Amino acid sequence: DSGVTQTPKHLITATGQRVTLRCSPRSGDLSVYWYQQSLDQGLQFLIHYYNGEERAKGNILERFSAQQFPDLHSELNLSSLELGDSALYFCASSPRPTDMNTEAFFGQGTRLTVV
Amino acid sequence: GENVEQHPSTLSVQEGDSAVIKCTYSDSASNYFPWYKQELGKRPQLIIDIRSNVGEKKDQRIAVTLNKTAKHFSLHITETQPEDSAVYFCAATGGYQKVTFGIGTKLQVIP
Repeated sequence: DSGVTQTPKHLITATGQRVTLRCSPRSGDLSVYWYQQSLDQGLQFLIHYYNGEERAKGNILERFSAQQFPDLHSELNLSSLELGDSALYFCASSPRPTDMNTEAFFGQGTRLTVV
Repeated sequence: GENVEQHPSTLSVQEGDSAVIKCTYSDSASNYFPWYKQELGKRPQLIIDIRSNVGEKKDQRIAVTLNKTAKHFSLHITETQPEDSAVYFCAATGGYQKVTFGIGTKLQVIP
């Protein structure tokens, strides 16, 4: 157990819908990262938050948005869902300040299926 | 932005042989290079990492080398075992902690 909690574990929804994925980082971790992993694909970096502020953006679609709350949990919002958005979405957290790169601990992921 | 290339995409080795996975990166500002192992249906887990001020790091059967001048780093697994079978991802972390992963290498260790 990495200490990073993601909910829900599985989510099935229809095209055009909106969903929210939730991530609780390890206790004390200030950084939260979101990744998308499509079938047989690598890990695509979406976005990074540190202590409530957006720090870096990857190839995140405009239909996707995220935020990190004062209690440090984060939510990834996916809207106007398309079949191609079906993927495993991982959240990861790390403890260090932004100027010190360090290991990221991954949650178990949320498997999103868009039908 | 950063671009990380990883190869090979698949690798089959006999049990006991060595496996080598290579990655190159483009952003000279990248200074942290972790390697993750992802078993089927599970989350990625860090197996070893290296920082830009170090050329080589070893942990039992696993080692990583970094060539900053050439901007490439490699994962070496010696005496491979069936439980080493997994997908391995390299990553490069540069400015503003933007983490870029390679596409992954599916390693199969044949008993």
